Amino acid sequence: DAGVIQSPRHEVTEMGQEVTLRCKPISGHDYLFWYRQTMMRGLELLIYFNNNVPIDDSGMPEDRFSAKMPNASFSTLKIQPSEPRDSAVYFCASSLRQEGTTFFGQGTRLTVV
Amino acid sequence: AQSVTQLGSHVSVSEGALVLLRCNYSSSVPPYLFWYVQYPNQGLQLLLKYTSAATLVKGINGFEAEFKKSETSFHLTKPSAHMSDAAEYFCAVSGPDNDYKLSFGAGTTVTVRA
Repeated sequence: DAGVIQSPRHEVTEMGQEVTLRCKPISGHDYLFWYRQTMMRGLELLIYFNNNVPIDDSGMPEDRFSAKMPNASFSTLKIQPSEPRDSAVYFCASSLRQEGTTFFGQGTRLTVV
Repeated sequence: AQSVTQLGSHVSVSEGALVLLRCNYSSSVPPYLFWYVQYPNQGLQLLLKYTSAATLVKGINGFEAEFKKSETSFHLTKPSAHMSDAAEYFCAVSGPDNDYKLSFGAGTTVTVRA
C-alpha cells in the first residue's frame, strides 16, 4: 500500500480564499483523522471519521473549517475563508480499529498570506 | 482522559552516545502507547508501540521503549546515536475506549553532535 496520501504538499493562498486539502487513507482502514501541527499548539486533532461518518469535530477551531468523507477512500478538509492564523501543517491519518495503529500522511503545509 | 508529558523539549547527544527520551502518561484505562519520529518536512513515522503485550518493545532503527506501569512511564532509548537520528520525537497515548484517538506530547527535538 502507498500509505496515506495527501495533496497538495504545499499550498500558499491569500487571506479570504477558500482552501481544500485532500486525503486518501490506507485501503481498508475504518478510521480517518485530521490533525493540525503548529509551533504554538503542537499536534491537535481537528476531526475524525469512522466508516465515513464524522464522530467528533470538537477540535475544529471555527465554522470556517469543514470536513467531509464522501466515501471510504477520500476525505477533504476545507477552510473558507482562510486567515493567516490558519497557516500550519495539516496531517491526515488513518487506522484500522482492531489493529490500533495510526498511520500518517506526509502533510500539507498551508501558508495564508 | 488520556495525556502524555514529554520531559525535555530538546536533547543533544554525541554520536555513539545513549539516547534517552522521557515520556510519562496519564490514563484511566490500560493505554496504548506510541513513539513517532518526524524528520524535517516529513510526516510522522511510527517507531514502536505498546499494546499490553511485552513491556519491552523494540522498534525500528535500533530504538526500544519500556512500559513501566508503576512509574506511568514509556521512555525511549537507543544505545548508540547516529547522525541520522536527528529529528523530532513524539510520545502518544490512545486506547480502545476513545476510538484510538492519539493524544500527543509536545515533542522532543534530538540533535546529534559529531
